[in-house]
Amino acid sequence: QQPVQSPQAVILREGEDAVINCSSSKALYSVHWYRQKHGEAPVFLMILLKGGEQKGHEKISASFNEKKQQSSLYLTASQLSYSGTYFCGTEGSLGAGGTSYGKLTFGQGTILTVHP
Amino acid sequence: DAGVIQSPRHEVTEMGQEVTLRCKPISGHDYLFWYRQTMMRGLELLIYFNNNVPIDDSGMPEDRFSAKMPNASFSTLKIQPSEPRDSAVYFCASSSWDRVGNTIYFGEGSWLTVV
Repeated sequence: QQPVQSPQAVILREGEDAVINCSSSKALYSVHWYRQKHGEAPVFLMILLKGGEQKGHEKISASFNEKKQQSSLYLTASQLSYSGTYFCGTEGSLGAGGTSYGKLTFGQGTILTVHP
Repeated sequence: DAGVIQSPRHEVTEMGQEVTLRCKPISGHDYLFWYRQTMMRGLELLIYFNNNVPIDDSGMPEDRFSAKMPNASFSTLKIQPSEPRDSAVYFCASSSWDRVGNTIYFGEGSWLTVV
């Protein structure tokens, strides 16, 4: 099942902050965040694992609430280059610590526009 | 290090023709994924391979679609015969596991238009 992202769109001025949320109805092993600019490939931003491990860009932060199957991406002091569509991809937990081995289901995307 | 390489970048073909999309994953990655992106359906996983073996093809729309991975450095996605509803961007992606999970890297995509 596809995770649900909110909001669908955000408009910011440079320097403002934003939070993008991702919610799943199933137990998760990991959450992945990507940014896609128009006409380009999705670019990896962050991965958060059940248990607390995470990896990503220095200027990006995110959280993962395993109990609620929710993740949030925090964009602070936004820059023009942050504009794009942000996707969360969720990897299901198969129980007994197992995963669906990288099989990501993506949300519908959040369009972020940063103005000067 | 080179990223995931896809070809062709753009293809326009007539309905009924065969289309072959190609992908070279990042060297050393043992997972390869084919995704399709459309405005209506977003990013959908079609099929993925581990060590050249197809693991899950439940996302392949129908028998007109087939994918192969003959070796660790090459994969193809074939559509035969193609239909206008197959028009989409097809992304190939690859990954490998490390201490922090399975980071997936996408290629630039193949933009397919079927007329």
